[in-house]
Amino acid sequence: AQSVTQPDIHITVSEGASLELRCNYSYGATPYLFWYVQSPGQGLQLLLKYFSGDTLVQGIKGFEAEFKRSQSSFNLRKPSVHWSDAAEYFCAVGANQAGTALIFGKGTTLSVSS
Amino acid sequence: EPEVTQTPSHQVTQMGQEVILRCVPISNHLYFYWYRQILGQKVEFLVSFYNNEISEKSEIFDDQFSVERPDGSNFTLKIRSTKLEDSAMYFCASGRGNLAKNIQYFGAGTRLSVL
Repeated sequence: AQSVTQPDIHITVSEGASLELRCNYSYGATPYLFWYVQSPGQGLQLLLKYFSGDTLVQGIKGFEAEFKRSQSSFNLRKPSVHWSDAAEYFCAVGANQAGTALIFGKGTTLSVSS
Repeated sequence: EPEVTQTPSHQVTQMGQEVILRCVPISNHLYFYWYRQILGQKVEFLVSFYNNEISEKSEIFDDQFSVERPDGSNFTLKIRSTKLEDSAMYFCASGRGNLAKNIQYFGAGTRLSVL
């Protein structure tokens, strides 16, 4: 079955500390992977995506993610977290075909402490 | 920066009533989507729409749901007879198409409360 697992429901990180949010997927075909972020009252904003090529992808707001096929993972990282990064983060997987569904994880809520 | 716009932000309705959720996709996009998120659960795909036809739909998207692109700018989701379990956040998304692969841009959502 196709699925995305985000093992951490809630993470708290100190401002300036590094961050890693975990994402594992199960997908029958070549996976195309996404991270979205949702701040309160906002839509799902695309942070970054992986389609092919270099397995380390850079996104907006200083985020990066690494695709590891052997581990079926696509973890999101940031070297130094800012208070404005507090939000909910969603990992998603889909096919490389417009008009098809993205499958989302349940999300990880990030809190940033000062 | 262009964005997907959804109205209203919150809709309250009585069980059994019809609701229409509205979305204005990004203007040069060709693919349109609806997703929903029941409180505490995953974001779930409902339907995708291209060239005035449904491209794909999930098993959630049963006969009580319908989608329409009534004009060149709006994309709507109609729920014919709402049930309590339809209470959720509904997200609209749009994408340019195959050259942009399956990148989908989401709106802020409409929170539907069925009483």
